Amino acid sequence: GQSLEQPSEVTAVEGAIVQINCTYQTSGFYGLSWYQQHDGGAPTFLSYNALDGLEETGRFSSFLSRSDSYGYLLLQELQMKDSASYFCLLGDSSYKLIFGSGTRLLVRP
Amino acid sequence: DADVTQTPRNRITKTGKRIMLECSQTKGHDRMYWYRQDPGLGLRLIYYSFDVKDINKGEISDGYSVSRQAQAKFSLSLESAIPNQTALYFCATSDASTQETQYFGPGTRLLVL
Repeated sequence: GQSLEQPSEVTAVEGAIVQINCTYQTSGFYGLSWYQQHDGGAPTFLSYNALDGLEETGRFSSFLSRSDSYGYLLLQELQMKDSASYFCLLGDSSYKLIFGSGTRLLVRP
Repeated sequence: DADVTQTPRNRITKTGKRIMLECSQTKGHDRMYWYRQDPGLGLRLIYYSFDVKDINKGEISDGYSVSRQAQAKFSLSLESAIPNQTALYFCATSDASTQETQYFGPGTRLLVL
C-alpha cells in the first residue's frame, strides 16, 4: 500500500538546525510538499519538490530523492515560533493525495 | 483579504440537526477540498471537486454531502449531525497542475452535542 512515514516528535534548541524526514512507499508520484500547522490553526504550505534535489525558501529547505524514496524538510536558525506540527503530502500517479502522519517539533530555549 | 475563507468559524449544534459549512476562494483555483481533523491526528479527506461538475468522494464521505455552487464556492453539509462528527474542518484549494500545493482556509470548529 501507499504510506508516508514521519517521526512523531522532534525536539531541538533555538538557533539550531533540524531535519524532518518523510519516507514513502509508492510506485509513482508527481511531487512532495511540506506544510506547517500550529495547534488549532490551519496548515500553511512551506515547500514543494517535483524533482530530485534541494528547494530553498528562506530558513526552510526541502529535499527529495526518488531513488531513495524519501524527502526531508530542513529548518535552519530555529525560532520558538517554529514549534508546530509539520507534515508531508504526496500526490500519486492516480492523482490521489497521501498525507504523512505529521511530526511535532518542539523548540526549546 | 484572505484567499480562502470559511464560515462559520465555530459552530455548536445538536445531534440530528442539519448544518452547512461554507467555503469561498479568490485564488481562481479549479480544485477544492474538504478535510476533517480530529485532535492530535492528521487530515482526512472528505470530498474533493476538480471543477463545478466533477465531485468525488474522499476516504470518509459517509454522513457528509457537498455542493459546488460555483468555481469559487464549495459547501459541506452534515445531513444529520452526530457527536463523532465533532472535529475541525478545513477547506482547501489547489490548481490543477500541482494539487500537492494546497491553500487552506482558517477552519471551522464544530461541536455536536
